[in-house]
Amino acid sequence: DADVTQTPRNRITKTGKRIMLECSQTKGHDRMYWYRQDPGLGLRLIYYSFDVKDINKGEISDGYSVSRQAQAKFSLSLESAIPNQTALYFCATSNPSGGEGEQFFGPGTRLTVL
Amino acid sequence: QKEVEQNSGPLSVPEGAIASLNCTYSDRVSQSFFWYRQYSGKSPELIMSIYSNGDKEDGRFTAQLNKASQYVSLLIRDSQPSDSATYLCAVKTSGTYKYIFGTGTRLKVLA
Repeated sequence: DADVTQTPRNRITKTGKRIMLECSQTKGHDRMYWYRQDPGLGLRLIYYSFDVKDINKGEISDGYSVSRQAQAKFSLSLESAIPNQTALYFCATSNPSGGEGEQFFGPGTRLTVL
Repeated sequence: QKEVEQNSGPLSVPEGAIASLNCTYSDRVSQSFFWYRQYSGKSPELIMSIYSNGDKEDGRFTAQLNKASQYVSLLIRDSQPSDSATYLCAVKTSGTYKYIFGTGTRLKVLA
C-alpha cells in the first residue's frame, strides 16, 4: 500500500540537542512538505520541496533545516532544540500532475523538548 | 483577517443527524479546496476535495463550494459517533505550493 511513514513516532529530547525527523513515501510523489501543529494554531508549513534539487522555506523555518536525500525521503532537523519546538510534526506529499494536488500526511512525530 | 476561517466548535449533533461544517476563505483566486478529518493525536486524513462550484457527494459526505461567497462546507449525513473528530478545511491556489489550513472545527456526535 502506497504510504507516507515517519520516524520516530515519539521523541523526548533536551534543550540544545540536535535531532532529526525522517519521512519516507512510496506514493511516487514529487512534492514533500514538513508541517508543525500546535493547539489553536493549526498546521504551519516549515519547509517544502518540489524535487531533490528544489527546497524552499515555509512560513516558520527558523531553527529548522531539511534534506531531500531522494525523491522518496525528506528529513527535518532541529539544529539546537528549544522547548517552544515541542509540537506534532507532520510530513506530507502531493502530486501536482495527479488530481488537483491533494496532500497526504504521514502519521506524525510527537516531539517534546525539555 | 485569517486566510481560512472555521468555527472551532465543538459542534454537537445527535447520532443519525446531519452535521454541517463551514469554512470561509479570503483569497478570491483560490481554486482547490479540501476537507480533512483529524482524530486527536493522529494525522489529517483527506475526506473530500472540490474544485468547482456546487455539490460533490461521496458516500455520507457532501462538499459544497460557492466561490462567489468564498465559502466551502461539508455535510455529514447519518452522523455516527466515529465521526467525532476535528475537521480541517484547506485551500490552495492553482500553480502555487501553498496550502492554507483552517484551525479546524471539533465535531461531537452524541450516541
